Amino acid sequence: EVQLVESGGGLVQPGRSLRLSCAASGFTFDDYAMHWVRQAPGKGLEWVSGISWNSGSIGYADSVKGRFTISRDNAKNSLYLQMNSLRAEDTALYYCAKGGYDSSDWFDPWGQGTLVTVSS
Amino acid sequence: EIVMTQSPATLSVSPGERATLSCRASQSISSSLAWYQQKPGQAPSLLIYGASTRATGIPARFSGSGSGTEFTLTISSLQSEDFAVYYCQQYNDWPRAFGQGTKVEIK
Repeated sequence: EVQLVESGGGLVQPGRSLRLSCAASGFTFDDYAMHWVRQAPGKGLEWVSGISWNSGSIGYADSVKGRFTISRDNAKNSLYLQMNSLRAEDTALYYCAKGGYDSSDWFDPWGQGTLVTVSS
Repeated sequence: EIVMTQSPATLSVSPGERATLSCRASQSISSSLAWYQQKPGQAPSLLIYGASTRATGIPARFSGSGSGTEFTLTISSLQSEDFAVYYCQQYNDWPRAFGQGTKVEIK
């Protein structure tokens, strides 16, 4: 069974940093792209960042470009999101999702999310 | 950057009736479109990929169609468990993008 378990969320002050992790199991991690998607309270889904299987292709939403960095460790079956210069508008539930490759990059499955709250 | 637009924002439907949800891309995405369902308090789950292929375990009452810039998700006969929020998402280009969602509620 494919499992994705996010961790690292919490309450953080504006301007500070946080690192999210996603532990993957049940599939060959280094065959697939991985993504972070967030959902602010009561709002819709926002794609945050994605990384190809070999880290050769990386993308970011404009809202986080220059502040967030996605990475992966295929030896540890883990995905990361380093979030710097956090703002109140970054407050959201952050989901990790398994992607695909090339033109097959739909998201399935998703983890249960980790909550990030940015507040003083 | 591709922008995804869903309509309507809210759809009120009686159980047993058909629901038709629309999704439009700001430029052609071929068939690189997925639909997701999200129920309250749950993570989203994949319904449709490749614009029209049902994901594993998805009932036949869910169908997707379209290509290029116009897409449709149809639920042929709404069941109680189908009342949820539905999102479309393009994966043709970076950055990936979701529509703003359509809430299907009980009429």
